[in-house]
Amino acid sequence: GAVVSQHPSWVICKSGTSVKIECRSLDFQATTMFWYRQFPKQSLMLMATSNEGSKATYEQGVEKDKFLINHASLTLSTLTVTSAHPEDSSFYICSASGLAGLSSYEQYFGPGTRLTVT
Amino acid sequence: DAKTTQPNSMESNEEEPVHLPCNHSTISGTDYIHWYRQLPSQGPEYVIHGLTSNVNNRMASLAIAEDRKSSTLILHRATLRDAAVYYCILLTQGGSEKLVFGKGTKLTVNP
Repeated sequence: GAVVSQHPSWVICKSGTSVKIECRSLDFQATTMFWYRQFPKQSLMLMATSNEGSKATYEQGVEKDKFLINHASLTLSTLTVTSAHPEDSSFYICSASGLAGLSSYEQYFGPGTRLTVT
Repeated sequence: DAKTTQPNSMESNEEEPVHLPCNHSTISGTDYIHWYRQLPSQGPEYVIHGLTSNVNNRMASLAIAEDRKSSTLILHRATLRDAAVYYCILLTQGGSEKLVFGKGTKLTVNP
């Protein structure tokens, strides 16, 4: 099956610093990747959609200058949380949808990255 | 995307079948019914999807009502590893691929 990895799996950083999270599709090329955020005991909330080689599309209420998304290749997307604050502490999850050969209706999710800002 | 309604929680016993309902009374003709599940502290995983006919795969079965206003995800023999939050999501064919997650149904499986 299609595999999506995330790195790191967890990170602790100090308030005011920036953190980069990587999302990789390991065995397929992902034309589109999605970034979600999930607070404790809540559902996933879509933050943005990124397509390879173009600017990400952010959901309403998500600050694009704070959550920088780069989708430089068909197998890698990165989310950078800039000037992180404690309220940014959350579980960040990426997903990818693939090219022909994989069902266009399935999204493949990474294992998530738990960010704690102290 | 059309809205879905699911019970907040359900319980089952191990090795018994589980029927997880989903109501989607405003579904349109081009909306596919998707199910994902999220195990604790993990990313969601795809379970199954269908349009009109019932569907089976190695994980589960999807039973779709004739009027398509509801569907049921069936786990034929629940295991402890099936304890998760199950999400029923509608996706329009040819439309956005964005998944809009509701609150889902938290399934507890008792040993």
